[in-house]
Amino acid sequence: DTAVSQTPKYLVTQMGNDKSIKCEQNLGHDTMYWYKQDSKKFLKIMFSYNNKELIINETVPNRFSPKSPDKAHLNLHINSLELGDSAVYFCASSYLRGTQETQYFGPGTRLLVL
Amino acid sequence: DQQVKQNSPSLSVQEGRISILNCDYTNSMFDYFLWYKKYPAEGPTFLISISSIKDKNEDGRFTVFLNKSAKHLSLHIVPSQPGDSAVYFCAWARRDRGSTLGRLYFGRGTQLTVWP
Repeated sequence: DTAVSQTPKYLVTQMGNDKSIKCEQNLGHDTMYWYKQDSKKFLKIMFSYNNKELIINETVPNRFSPKSPDKAHLNLHINSLELGDSAVYFCASSYLRGTQETQYFGPGTRLLVL
Repeated sequence: DQQVKQNSPSLSVQEGRISILNCDYTNSMFDYFLWYKKYPAEGPTFLISISSIKDKNEDGRFTVFLNKSAKHLSLHIVPSQPGDSAVYFCAWARRDRGSTLGRLYFGRGTQLTVWP
């Protein structure tokens, strides 16, 4: 059973298009995240949702809009795609044990903008 | 700005020997550190963590050491196995005040290769 799943795994599209990436977790976690891994391999947080409410927005352009229809899903919609959006996007969910939070990552969506 | 630095992009170790992965950080206002392991075409997998109030945490073959005066963190894997070959990410975690949620800041990762 896949704990955190993302679709699609690969996405190739033209500049200016609008696309969505879906994420689902079956772990019963309250918190979900989106991360971007750029060409330099840095993993950077983009958004965090807790119980469908936006908690963290790390100065991401307005073209990126996360949507959480329920606790188990966090989708990422990207408008007017640009070349610099090419990256691997990881979804994650987390739970808190004591004072430490452990995040579980999906397999990633490889986005290539041409 | 880079909160976490992993200065060695790669490390090659013989099976059975110790692997030592290093991480330096700049900001002392963290709550804990985590190590993640990543195989190709998969997401990062949580490995081990250490709280800011500890200097060592051990879990099986994996031990993490925290040297706060040097702002340095290391992951020791003993004995190393070929299946340990992966990219290892160090992540600095901080909870926002009044929140239970953490922000993770990742290093660039170190590719570990364990050869037979």
